[in-house]
Amino acid sequence: SQQGEEDPQALSIQEGENATMNCSYKTSINNLQWYRQNSGRGLVHLILIRSNEREKHSGRLRVTLDTSKKSSSLLITASRAADTASYFCATPHYGNTDKLIFGTGTRLQVFP
Amino acid sequence: NAGVMQNPRHLVRRRGQEARLRCSPMKGHSHVYWYRQLPEEGLKFMVYLQKENIIDESGMPKERFSAEFPKEGPSILRIQQVVRGDSAAYFCASSPGTGEDQPQHFGDGTRLSIL
Repeated sequence: SQQGEEDPQALSIQEGENATMNCSYKTSINNLQWYRQNSGRGLVHLILIRSNEREKHSGRLRVTLDTSKKSSSLLITASRAADTASYFCATPHYGNTDKLIFGTGTRLQVFP
Repeated sequence: NAGVMQNPRHLVRRRGQEARLRCSPMKGHSHVYWYRQLPEEGLKFMVYLQKENIIDESGMPKERFSAEFPKEGPSILRIQQVVRGDSAAYFCASSPGTGEDQPQHFGDGTRLSIL
């Protein structure tokens, strides 16, 4: 089964609102990464949070990590129509830092 | 500074034909990963290669699929005798090395359609 599972599967909001996506995972991790995928394109790396970090910011992005609950959240503040995309969390396979295990993603739609 | 380049972007094959997907990693990157994505799903790891070596092929089907990353030239993912179930988007990613803080950089993928 998937290491990462995102919630919700789909999210629709208005421009200016905040969007929160959650990710749960099953095994111990060294880090957790969030990627964005625009329709028909490849994945773009957004942010990496290490297992000893609880929160990280990058521009309008805020990521939290709770290793006790094996969960992470991605918050996009003041969303824009250009944020419309699918968002995936990914974790390096335990014991093997080279392959990433992806969740099924959250499809975010931001309406102007 | 070009990113990861994949070609072709779209590939159509009939059942039983061969599909060859190419990936040129970012300059300076010697580690290549291939992933497959079915519609509405996340990416599934297939294989991890370094120059001239397959490091981890645990996600590759045992038959019909092969991958290589020669000393010169792009990495190739080869699918022989394609079947309808091979229809998917295939993504290549590269990184400069292993380690906890080495994010993978992705190409735009090859969308394979089997008629």
